[in-house]
This record gives sequence, C-alpha cells and structure tokens, in this order.
Amino acid sequence: DTAVSQTPKYLVTQMGNDKSIKCEQNLGHDTMYWYKQDSKKFLKIMFSYNNKELIINETVPNRFSPKSPDKAHLNLHINSLELGDSAVYFCASSQGGSERAETQYFGPGTRLLVL
Amino acid sequence: KQEVTQIPAALSVPEGENLVLNCSFTDSAIYNLQWFRQDPGKGLTSLLLIQSSQREQTSGRLNASLDKSSGRSTLYIAASQPGDSATYLCAVWSGSEKLVFGKGTKLTVNP
Repeated sequence: DTAVSQTPKYLVTQMGNDKSIKCEQNLGHDTMYWYKQDSKKFLKIMFSYNNKELIINETVPNRFSPKSPDKAHLNLHINSLELGDSAVYFCASSQGGSERAETQYFGPGTRLLVL
Repeated sequence: KQEVTQIPAALSVPEGENLVLNCSFTDSAIYNLQWFRQDPGKGLTSLLLIQSSQREQTSGRLNASLDKSSGRSTLYIAASQPGDSATYLCAVWSGSEKLVFGKGTKLTVNP
C-alpha cells in the first residue's frame, strides 16, 4: 500500500557511469517531482511533471534527464555521474498543479554515492 | 526570489515540554505553507498545510500558525515526546510553481 515508492534505495557507483532512479505513485496524482537533498540537508526542487508534461526545470545540468512514461511514473536518468551528484534524491507527488498547491507526498529517497 | 529561514537550526528539550519552531519567508505572496517531518534516513511526511487564506491549522498535539503579512509561521508542539525527535521542515508554495524549503530544525526530545 506504499504511496510513493523509489528504486533503488541505495546506489553506489563510479564517476562517469550512467544510472537511473525510478519512481512510482499509486495515489492517482497528476503531478510528480524530483528533489535533491545535499550533504547540508538542503532540499531543492529539480523537476516537476504534470500529466506527463514537464512544467518545472530548475537550473540542473543537462546530464539529468527526467522521463515520465505515464502520470504514475517519473524516472530520473543521470549521465556521466560526478562526485557532486552524491546526494539523496526524493520523488514526490501531489494532486493538481500549481493552482491548487496541495500537499506533496514524498518517497523514501534514493541515496546516491558517487566514488 | 523566495527564501525560507528556520530558527533554531537545532533544539533539544526534555520530554513533556511545549515548544515552538519558527519559519520565516521573504515573499509574502504565497499559496500555502507546509510543515514536514523528516526522520533520519527516511522521506518527508507532511504534517500540516495552511492555505494562504488561513491563520492556523491543528492536528493532534501540533498547531501551525501563519502570518502572511509578516512572512512568519510557527509550529507549536504540545507535551513533546521522544518520538517527536526528527527534523522539521517548513516549505512555502509561491507563484514560481514550486515548494521552497527551509533548512529545517533538528529536534531532540530527551526522555
């Protein structure tokens, strides 16, 4: 009965590799998000999708590419991983877009460590 | 550009004490303000959401207030328990179509 799930939970990889993180929500929400929480625990939005369409793309290197195959899934692919990409990545979802600004539900996070 | 500040960064209290966490934001044009809880190694759990037209919201021992004009919110926790130990994050949703988070207050409730 998990609301927002992410896989994998932990990811350890070498610099230069390409990796993907998957997110699924079973809440029937229209909007999904990716956040990055850095080593100082500061949480910042990276991307937002509403009904499979990109609506927010913050200043994120183009090595990061989100993909939404359907409105229940939002995956994050990262090319040519760098040491600075090490962080916890959270997926979230909410019903409605910015006009409704409703509660966001977060996944458990994916802890990425780049060596 | 919206900025959210939370004070204090860390707080340690004995069990049973009532406490207040503070959040301030620079741009008062917000849709809502949300308080979240984050446990170590876990995701965020939404505690309370206050719409911009509201002044406060209550859930159990938690009460959150919002003073939009002054750019402030407080989270009041009554009769604190060790299980309340976590990091509490404040976030505002403004016209930029995104949640802007503060850095959080790490709360420790000692038995």
